Amino acid sequence: GENVEQHPSTLSVQEGDSAVIKCTYSDSASNYFPWYKQELGKGPQLIIDIRSNVGEKKDQRIAVTLNKTAKHFSLHITETQPEDSAVYFCAASMGGGFKTIFGAGTRLFVKA
Amino acid sequence: NAGVTQTPKFQVLKTGQSMTLQCAQDMNHNSMYWYRQDPGMGLRLIYYSASEGTTDKGEVPNGYNVSRLNKREFSLRLESAAPSQTSVYFCASSEGGGWGIQYFGAGTRLSVL
Repeated sequence: GENVEQHPSTLSVQEGDSAVIKCTYSDSASNYFPWYKQELGKGPQLIIDIRSNVGEKKDQRIAVTLNKTAKHFSLHITETQPEDSAVYFCAASMGGGFKTIFGAGTRLFVKA
Repeated sequence: NAGVTQTPKFQVLKTGQSMTLQCAQDMNHNSMYWYRQDPGMGLRLIYYSASEGTTDKGEVPNGYNVSRLNKREFSLRLESAAPSQTSVYFCASSEGGGWGIQYFGAGTRLSVL
C-alpha cells in the first residue's frame, strides 16, 4: 500500500524567512496531494492541494511543487509569520478513492 | 455554521470498558471518516463511509466498529477498550471521494487506563 514520508519532523525559522517541508510517496497511482495545517487543539485544515497533472501551484505565500518521476512533493512558505507556527501534514491519495495516507507531520516554529 | 462536531472532547476509560464517539456534520456531505492521531505517526484512517448506508475499513480497523446512522451522523464504537487505543480521534467529512477537501472536527482525546 501507499506510504508517505515527511521531513523534517521539526523546523524552526526566523520570522520573514522561508520554510520548506518535503514529502515522498511510494505508490505511483497516487494522483492527489493535499497539505493540511493543524493548530494546537484543533483539527487539521486544508491549506493547499495539487493534482498530478500540475507541477506547481501557488496561493499567496504558500506554494506546492510536485515531481511525479521522483515521487516527491514539497510545501514552500515564504515570508513566514508567527501565525504560521503549527503542525503541517502532507498526504497522498488516488483521486476518486477514499483512502488518504498522511505523513507523520512537521512541527513548524516561527520565531518573532 | 458548525461544520463537523465531535462529542465528547475528552474521555477516560478503564481497560475493557466500551464507549461510542459521536460525529455530526451539517454541510450535507456524502462521505465521512474516522482517523486516529498518535505522536509521530500522523493521521491513520480507521473506517470511512463513502455514502449513507455504506462503511469500509481503513488502515487500522481492528478493535473498532462504526455506524453511519444517517447522512449527518457517523459514530465510532470501542467495544472493549485497550491501552493501545489511547489516542486523539478525529472525524472528517467531504463532499465525495479523493478529490474532495476533508473537513475535520476538533477531535476527541481518549485515554484508556
